[in-house]
Amino acid sequence: RKEVEQDPGPFNVPEGATVAFNCTYSNSASQSFFWYRQDCRKEPKLLMSVYSSGNEDGRFTAQLNRASQYISLLIRDSKLSDSATYLCVVRSAGNKLTFGGGTRVLVKP
Amino acid sequence: NAGVTQTPKFRVLKTGQSMTLLCAQDMNHEYMYWYRQDPGMGLRLIHYSVGEGTTAKGEVPDGYNVSRLKKQNFLLGLESAAPSQTSVYFCASRGTGGLAEAFFGQGTRLTVV
Repeated sequence: RKEVEQDPGPFNVPEGATVAFNCTYSNSASQSFFWYRQDCRKEPKLLMSVYSSGNEDGRFTAQLNRASQYISLLIRDSKLSDSATYLCVVRSAGNKLTFGGGTRVLVKP
Repeated sequence: NAGVTQTPKFRVLKTGQSMTLLCAQDMNHEYMYWYRQDPGMGLRLIHYSVGEGTTAKGEVPDGYNVSRLKKQNFLLGLESAAPSQTSVYFCASRGTGGLAEAFFGQGTRLTVV
């Protein structure tokens, strides 16, 4: 089983709609969680860190469920510019950073 | 600010040749990472370092070696390149702190023929 798993998608989303997707992790001792965004195989960039109580950054909301070992990302009022691959990242002991395979989102007019 | 710089950006190698990829960061970060990304896949961790003089294996370390002689540099070596090592290689650095952001270089596109 992979340490970090994501639905590869693509999620085809009408402009203005809401989309949500999850990421599961296998190591219950994982310490920190992040969502990164990657455009057209360019370098990944941090979208947001995920706090234990959940957090929001504009149209983006991240949640952590430690009991079920998953994190989620919700995008409201989707824009064409939100089309990208969203990468789930988990930090485990020793500051190892493990990426999921990515979820591709396509926002269409 | 340069951030994280990878050298070279593109390279074509013949099977069996060796090469070294250089990652340099100017943010005084403790942690550095090497990943590879194959088409349609996420980033897979090759090796990482939690400080000068330290290295650790990631998910896919075979066929690669690394060194972190200076805090700002993390070198990735391929001793005898194979076509299976054709990939895009990304380097990242990160400061201390549980939620510290990882900053990435622009990637090295390596083709082994």
